[in-house]
Amino acid sequence: NAGVTQTPKFQVLKTGQSMTLQCAQDMNHEYMSWYRQDPGMGLRLIHYSVGAGITDQGEVPNGYNVSRSTTEDFPLRLLSAAPSQTSVYFCASSSDWNTEAFFGQGTRLTVV
Amino acid sequence: AQSVAQPEDQVNVAEGNPLTVKCTYSVSGNPYLFWYVQYPNRGLQFLLKYITGDNLVKGSYGFEAEFNKSQTSFHLKKPSALVSDSALYFCAVRDTTGGGADGLTFGKGTHLIIQP
Repeated sequence: NAGVTQTPKFQVLKTGQSMTLQCAQDMNHEYMSWYRQDPGMGLRLIHYSVGAGITDQGEVPNGYNVSRSTTEDFPLRLLSAAPSQTSVYFCASSSDWNTEAFFGQGTRLTVV
Repeated sequence: AQSVAQPEDQVNVAEGNPLTVKCTYSVSGNPYLFWYVQYPNRGLQFLLKYITGDNLVKGSYGFEAEFNKSQTSFHLKKPSALVSDSALYFCAVRDTTGGGADGLTFGKGTHLIIQP
């Protein structure tokens, strides 16, 4: 029972590079979200999706894109990495907004 | 807009003593409230939630939380702390009037340190 799987676990990027953080869940959850965690700031919502083909912006969407072509996958794309995007990124899924969210192990991203 | 405040960056408790981690929230309508725990280098794990009903909610690992609508609070409690409870705790809220939008809003987290 894999739950929510994020890849990679660690990544170092140079300023201006692009990359995609992968997130996959095997629980058939409709709701998926991306958060970033920064020291002293808790988790902040970047983008979320309420089902395949439906995405929306969260609190801090600038510099990130998402798509949801399948129920299972919700990749997060960094278009042109900046040092301010150095953070730990978490993907989460749930069957509904009032149910338990399952989190991936996180991706620690450093932009130099 | 919805918001969550965790007023304490760190809470120190001696093993065996009761613990409380505070959380207050602000929503336009009624809240869905959650507590999550994060151990070092791990993702968040669900502890408990309040949706409707009984104001005292019981969750995993002996934790409980009390929903207080008049004080807009949802404090996490445990009668007897264990060293293994040491971790980072997050309170989260979603406004039920959101109609499925906006996701969860998290507090900044409280480091709970249980001293042997």
